[in-house]
Amino acid sequence: DSGVTQTPKHLITATGQRVTLRCSPRSGDLSVYWYQQSLDQGLQFLIQYYNGEERAKGNILERFSAQQFPDLHSELNLSSLELGDSALYFCASSAGQGINNEQFFGPGTRLTVL
Amino acid sequence: GIQVEQSPPDLILQEGANSTLRCNFSDSVNNLQWFHQNPWGQLINLFYIPSGTKQNGRLSATTVATERYSLLYISSSQTTDSGVYFCAVELIQGGSEKLVFGKGTKLTVNP
Repeated sequence: DSGVTQTPKHLITATGQRVTLRCSPRSGDLSVYWYQQSLDQGLQFLIQYYNGEERAKGNILERFSAQQFPDLHSELNLSSLELGDSALYFCASSAGQGINNEQFFGPGTRLTVL
Repeated sequence: GIQVEQSPPDLILQEGANSTLRCNFSDSVNNLQWFHQNPWGQLINLFYIPSGTKQNGRLSATTVATERYSLLYISSSQTTDSGVYFCAVELIQGGSEKLVFGKGTKLTVNP
């Protein structure tokens, strides 16, 4: 158990809908990272937040947004969902600010868009 | 954009064998990381290695940044080493850090 929790574990929804994925980092970790893993695109870094502020940005679509709250949990919002958004979404956390800090991964949320 | 290529795509070993996984990248990078995803999907950081060699138990990694490649060595492999190994390069693009992943090497270690 990495100490990072993600909810829900599974999510099934329809095209055009909006969903919110939630991540709670390990106790004391200030950074949260979001990743997408799909059969087509492989593993992709989406975005990093550090202590509430966006710190690094990867291949995150404009339809997707994220935020980190004062209690350090983070949410990833996916809107106008398309079939291609079906994927496993991972959250990770680390203590430090830099992207090269040791990251601890949650179990992921599997999103299925029908 | 930068290309990150991993080889081989698939590798099947008998328990106790050694293996070398390779990661080539097409441009200069700030750092390189290796990850392991076990058959149940759990991801774990293995190494941060911009250059030189690091060892952790039966695993070691070497990055030759000037030649744009990194190698992950697994010695005396065990069935628990099975899974997919990803390398990811860290670069700065548009003023922001980002990680770019390779497609992975799927390792199967048979008893």
